[in-house]
Amino acid sequence: NAGVMQNPRHLVRRRGQEARLRCSPMKGHSHVYWYRQLPEEGLKFMVYLQKENIIDESGMPKERFSAEFPKEGPSILRIQQVVRGDSAAYFCASSRNRVEYFGPGTRLTVT
Amino acid sequence: AQSVAQPEDQVNVAEGNPLTVKCTYSVSGNPYLFWYVQYPNRGLQFLLKYITGDNLVKGSYGFEAEFNKSQTSFHLKKPSALVSDSALYFCAANDYNTNAGKSTFGDGTTLTVKP
Repeated sequence: NAGVMQNPRHLVRRRGQEARLRCSPMKGHSHVYWYRQLPEEGLKFMVYLQKENIIDESGMPKERFSAEFPKEGPSILRIQQVVRGDSAAYFCASSRNRVEYFGPGTRLTVT
Repeated sequence: AQSVAQPEDQVNVAEGNPLTVKCTYSVSGNPYLFWYVQYPNRGLQFLLKYITGDNLVKGSYGFEAEFNKSQTSFHLKKPSALVSDSALYFCAANDYNTNAGKSTFGDGTTLTVKP
């Protein structure tokens, strides 16, 4: 029973490029959460999605960030025109029975 | 708004000694409380949760946590620490009745167990 899958594990982008982060939830889970962990900080909620629906995006920056969870395929977190301040670890989680199970994260480095 | 505080950035204990990692929370409704552990360059691993029932919750790897409603605390404990317990620990809280599953995390506590 595979856990939450995220890819890529490491992503390097130059300022101004786009970053696409993918998350496949655990089998049977239909809720996906994205969190960001800045260096030396805890996790901050970004967005909560169900299939084809954004339930809560109160933690998403207003510009450049978007997320989707299509009917088929993984959830995508998209960051347009990345800046150095976007460098962080981005974690995806899926939930069942009120417990969130986290993926290994994608470490984004903006150069 | 809900919040979680982990008042200690670092906790150092000797192997074999008991350990406590502190957490206090603020949740408007009934709290769902969690502890996660993170090893370097890894994701978070679920340790234990409190939703309802007994105030003392037992979890993975010999860890337990005590829910104290009057003190709004959920401290993580282990009777005898191992060097391999050294990691970053996060407390999280949620009010599923109103918050649609969005967890709030503390800033983390680095536990170092010395041999």
